[in-house]
Amino acid sequence: ETGVTQSPTHLIKTRGQQVTLRCSSQSGHNTVSWYQQALGQGPQFIFQYYREEENGRGNFPPRFSGLQFPNYSSELNVNALELDDSALYLCASSFRQLQETQYFGPGTRLLVL
Amino acid sequence: AQSVAQPEDQVNVAEGNPLTVKCTYSVSGNPYLFWYVQYPNRGLQFLLKYITGDNLVKGSYGFEAEFNKSQTSFHLKKPSALVSDSALYFCAVRDGPYNTDKLIFGTGTRLQVFP
Repeated sequence: ETGVTQSPTHLIKTRGQQVTLRCSSQSGHNTVSWYQQALGQGPQFIFQYYREEENGRGNFPPRFSGLQFPNYSSELNVNALELDDSALYLCASSFRQLQETQYFGPGTRLLVL
Repeated sequence: AQSVAQPEDQVNVAEGNPLTVKCTYSVSGNPYLFWYVQYPNRGLQFLLKYITGDNLVKGSYGFEAEFNKSQTSFHLKKPSALVSDSALYFCAVRDGPYNTDKLIFGTGTRLQVFP
């Protein structure tokens, strides 16, 4: 098991609501990436945070936003939830160097009704 | 744009037989390739990676992968499959060393090992 933790494990929301997902990175890691994995698909990159700033973004609308804190933990916020936002949200942490590996947490499963 | 393809949705193999899970890639520049495994209701577990060097990469749980530049492939292999290897396997490519190091994943291959 990696040292990456995520909370909550499961979440049910209704359309239009807002949600915050949390991630604690592995000790010694300073970069956090978030991915969305819809049912039956591979993970899709949402964005990455390094030194508390967004460092790259995938093809996701602005209602997906994030934060990274001084202890390198991170939050993913999604506003105005849509049914298609139902997915497994994965957080990965890594150390910012050329040959880093991303280590994933167990994920948060979000269901939007 | 970087991409990976996993041509098989499912691979079936008998326990004790060798297994291969296929992956092909398309990148500009040198590829940084990864294999991850996902068990039901779990996150992704890192198996192995190719950055540079020896074309045969050894990883966790007895898995290995062979990088083939001419065929742009990075197939995952194991000499003797176990029932416990049954899971979903993802190949991924990193978007270069100087850009945001996002991972681009394939669609996944479900490995079923029968006793």
